[in-house]
Amino acid sequence: EADIYQTPRYLVIGTGKKITLECSQTMGHDKMYWYQQDPGMELHLIHYSYGVNSTEKGDLSSESTVSRIRTEHFPLTLESARPSHTSQYLCASSEYRELHGYTFGSGTRLTVV
Amino acid sequence: AQKITQTQPGMFVQEKEAVTLDCTYDTSDPSYGLFWYKQPSSGEMIFLIYQGSYDQQNATEGRYSLNFQKARKSANLVISASQLGDSAMYFCAMCNYGQNFVFGPGTRLSVLP
Repeated sequence: EADIYQTPRYLVIGTGKKITLECSQTMGHDKMYWYQQDPGMELHLIHYSYGVNSTEKGDLSSESTVSRIRTEHFPLTLESARPSHTSQYLCASSEYRELHGYTFGSGTRLTVV
Repeated sequence: AQKITQTQPGMFVQEKEAVTLDCTYDTSDPSYGLFWYKQPSSGEMIFLIYQGSYDQQNATEGRYSLNFQKARKSANLVISASQLGDSAMYFCAMCNYGQNFVFGPGTRLSVLP
């Protein structure tokens, strides 16, 4: 039973469309993260949040934006999708003390045509 | 700076054999955690095993064990009695207090029948 949920699981969308990838967790974790990953490749941190109204950019520059209005919800938005945004997006969360590890969602596979 | 190195881009193992996936890390912090995650072709990240820097014994979880050699800064994953379902990407990761996870580039394991 997943404690962190990502929707949609798969998304095919046209260039120029605005999209929002949803991520919600029920564990009360303060910290949440978005990773971008091409198939079989490394994970790249693109956004993270340490709590409500806190968001930071990650190691990989991304045209996406995030918000953290509620502890359990950390959506990622692309204002104008492009084919270069085609990738898998993984959401994760952790307790404030990270030594407990990350819990990952099942991911969203985005294809922009 | 923290860094994880996985020198094996791909590994093959015969079904029912044991396999070791290498991971070395670099950190100057005395307190850290080491993790292994499995990512099957479906894309989700599955937590396998955790080792704390102060743990005296190597971690074990079923068929997974972590060969922790602190002086050499290595945290190799050993999978005993490989199964076809073990075919996946495997990521080694490290966390330190107050910092985000650092992931290695991953190793693709293929189990041969």
